[in-house]
Amino acid sequence: ILNVEQSPQSLHVQEGDSTNFTCSFPSSNFYALHWYRWETAKSPEALFVMTLNGDEKKKGRISATLNTKEGYSYLYIKGSQPEDSATYLCAFDTGGFKTIFGAGTRLFVKA
Amino acid sequence: AAGVIQSPRHLIKEKRETATLKCYPIPRHDTVYWYQQGPGQDPQFLISFYEKMQSDKGSIPDRFSAQQFSDYHSELNMSSLELGDSALYFCASSLGRGSSYNEQFFGPGTRLTVL
Repeated sequence: ILNVEQSPQSLHVQEGDSTNFTCSFPSSNFYALHWYRWETAKSPEALFVMTLNGDEKKKGRISATLNTKEGYSYLYIKGSQPEDSATYLCAFDTGGFKTIFGAGTRLFVKA
Repeated sequence: AAGVIQSPRHLIKEKRETATLKCYPIPRHDTVYWYQQGPGQDPQFLISFYEKMQSDKGSIPDRFSAQQFSDYHSELNMSSLELGDSALYFCASSLGRGSSYNEQFFGPGTRLTVL
């Protein structure tokens, strides 16, 4: 059974704080690792797709790293803003046509 | 830019009725995925189609069936509805095995309520 775990489950930070959370996935059968941002009442929006060990991706204040050998990815948010409040999902892609999602990390940023 | 379209957005049915959810992928996307998200739960993969053929199957109940048509839109047919089928159903599309590495673009979801 392929299992994707995300931690923490939820996170409360103050505006301006930097934060990070973790996605753990199987180190075998790796094809790609996706990060999605999911705001309440909206559909998930793709942030990053990462494929190579050591990959680092950045979009504005959000960045992500990938370690396929040990099976984890970190998502970092620098200087959190209230509009960053959302659930951040990671998804493990084995190269088939099924993507396995983690349960997400729910981020709350207080102004 | 065109996005994934799902219809209807909201649907209310009674137990034992049937429901059909529709998904129209982004133009040129050849792969469609269906997910079910129950209250307070993470999305669960149901089924996917690539080039009109079923490509993978997840936790889709036997009471559900789906297909992808020649114009690449997909329909999820749900019969003998149960209370536990109440959920948000997302459809996503991608370019399949192309350079997008299976990046999925999600529709707004259909909220199904079974009474």
